[in-house]
Amino acid sequence: GESVGLHLPTLSVQEGDNSIINCAYSNSASDYFIWYKQESGKGPQFIIDIRSNMDKRQGQRVTVLLNKTVKHLSLQIAATQPGDSAVYFCAESYTNAGKSTFGDGTTLTVKP
Amino acid sequence: DAGVTQSPTHLIKTRGQQVTLRCSPISGHKSVSWYQQVLGQGPQFIFQYYEKEERGRGNFPDRFSARQFPNYSSELNVNALLLGDSALYLCASRWGGGSQDPQHFGDGTRLSIL
Repeated sequence: GESVGLHLPTLSVQEGDNSIINCAYSNSASDYFIWYKQESGKGPQFIIDIRSNMDKRQGQRVTVLLNKTVKHLSLQIAATQPGDSAVYFCAESYTNAGKSTFGDGTTLTVKP
Repeated sequence: DAGVTQSPTHLIKTRGQQVTLRCSPISGHKSVSWYQQVLGQGPQFIFQYYEKEERGRGNFPDRFSARQFPNYSSELNVNALLLGDSALYLCASRWGGGSQDPQHFGDGTRLSIL
């Protein structure tokens, strides 16, 4: 069967490695998902989004994967850099809801 | 272009007092949402306003209120402050009233209750 990536509150990677951050969402009606990066003392910064009619979307060095069957979202960061060190949150919402529901964050630490 | 701006950046109040936080959205954005972020947790939704009308409300007591002005800026008011209201209050703006475009956040107001 399929394995669902485990959400980890912290993740430590070596500079240059790829990072994978996992998120489980709760509402099967959610149809829009966003990943945010939050650095210390700042607000969440938009990274990438995906709609429920897609299962993969790529940006610059980042890829988001969506598995609606198991309600799982992941963020892949290629060639992780020290500047990627931050807390990463996934957020879900559904059409006309207005609000976003945030998951538990993952603190990513990049070791030089 | 300026992002979402919030004022003040930091605020210290005592229990029982009232506070007003302010937010200016990104130019052209008509929707403003407020979130509370307690240390170590993700942001929790408080309110959304779109075209000056309340479009959504989270699970917060009536001590919390907000409004949106004709220029789309917004204020969040909290009455009868409690120690548990200490948090980072974030404002986010988006172009539309729905959920299919990303919200952009300000850097928040850090509220400390003594």
